[in-house]
Amino acid sequence: QKEVEQNSGPLSVPEGAIASLNCTYSDRGSQSFFWYRQYSGKSPELIMFIYSNGDKEDGRFTAQLNKASQYVSLLIRDSQPSDSATYLCAVNGGSNYKLTFGKGTLLTVNP
Amino acid sequence: DTAVSQTPKYLVTQMGNDKSIKCEQNLGHDTMYWYKQDSKKFLKIMFSYNNKELIINETVPNRFSPKSPDKAHLNLHINSLELGDSAVYFCASSQGATVDTEAFFGQGTRLTVV
Repeated sequence: QKEVEQNSGPLSVPEGAIASLNCTYSDRGSQSFFWYRQYSGKSPELIMFIYSNGDKEDGRFTAQLNKASQYVSLLIRDSQPSDSATYLCAVNGGSNYKLTFGKGTLLTVNP
Repeated sequence: DTAVSQTPKYLVTQMGNDKSIKCEQNLGHDTMYWYKQDSKKFLKIMFSYNNKELIINETVPNRFSPKSPDKAHLNLHINSLELGDSAVYFCASSQGATVDTEAFFGQGTRLTVV
């Protein structure tokens, strides 16, 4: 069973702090990795994706990938209350037509 | 314009009934998906279609029958509904399925079986 693991949280950080979200995956054949944000009662929306080892930055968001450790993370700098949501890690699980999602981490940013 | 639209948004029905959820995308994508999100927020793939052809059927009971009349539409018909079918069903679409393919999700259909 190919799995994607995330800490379910909740992760609580003060406004302006760095939030660190982690994800591990079991399938070494996975090629690409996605971070989605889902507000309560809404649909998932893509924040960013990464498929090369190292860091990828987009505004306040940085995705980090370490394929040797089968680990991907998302850092949110200068966290805002509007960042409060569930963050879903998704992995291209060996088939380009299937994303395997983790169970998500609930992030709360306190003003 | 809504990129991926699903109808209905809410669906409440009794056990044993048959119901359908419709999905349409106006993004010109060639790949569409159905995902199920349970009460614990776990999002799981059910089906993937590419150019109207079934690519992925993720061990879904055959009470669930997807139909893709064209690339822009992927409907989901569910027979003999059970309590365990209660969930939010998301339709999604993407252009192809390369390493950087982004899936766009519809707003979801909250199905409640009573």
